[in-house]
Amino acid sequence: AQSVTQPDIHITVSEGASLELRCNYSYGATPYLFWYVQSPGQGLQLLLKYFSGDTLVQGIKGFEAEFKRSQSSFNLRKPSVHWSDAAEYFCAVGARGYSTLTFGKGTMLLVSP
Amino acid sequence: SQTIHQWPATLVQPVGSPLSLECTVEGTSNPNLYWYRQAAGRGLQLLFYSVGIGQISSEVPQNLSASRPQDRQFILSSKKLLLSDSGFYLCAWSVGTSGSYDEQFFGPGTRLTVL
Repeated sequence: AQSVTQPDIHITVSEGASLELRCNYSYGATPYLFWYVQSPGQGLQLLLKYFSGDTLVQGIKGFEAEFKRSQSSFNLRKPSVHWSDAAEYFCAVGARGYSTLTFGKGTMLLVSP
Repeated sequence: SQTIHQWPATLVQPVGSPLSLECTVEGTSNPNLYWYRQAAGRGLQLLFYSVGIGQISSEVPQNLSASRPQDRQFILSSKKLLLSDSGFYLCAWSVGTSGSYDEQFFGPGTRLTVL
């Protein structure tokens, strides 16, 4: 079975600073990996996904993530954070042949002025 | 384009009362459908998923049930609500193509408070 760990429950970043949110997964084969963002009281929006190929994937809103098989990681990055990026971020893992995703517990991003 | 609707957006119910939350998807056929619950600090918990009409898989034993009476309709129900049923309920769909996998698309959610 797959599992996902997001080790940081909360992160505070100054506006304009760079951001990295950590995600580690556990799965024996090649995983499908996703990052979602959730603003308060709303549903989840997909930021980016990795299925295969180039291990650095670009997403919406200036986000990118890098798949590192050796570290079982899929960390999310953004070079310059905006106040509107304050939200909760979820990493998820899926697998070919499975109909479900396994989500991490989320990281709440706070942006300070 | 595809859209997903959930209603109601907010619901306050007494303990022991019944529950019915509805989710519908437009613009796609034979989707996989999912119900999740979010409780504070606990992330997303998958409750049920369905790969076709009348096909329901339960991930967590509890007093909730799900039904899929039509291809693009997914209903979450309870006969008697518990305090612990309070939370934010999210419906999602994904492309139901055998042998492949794609991302899930989420609805706006229903905030349920059981008093």
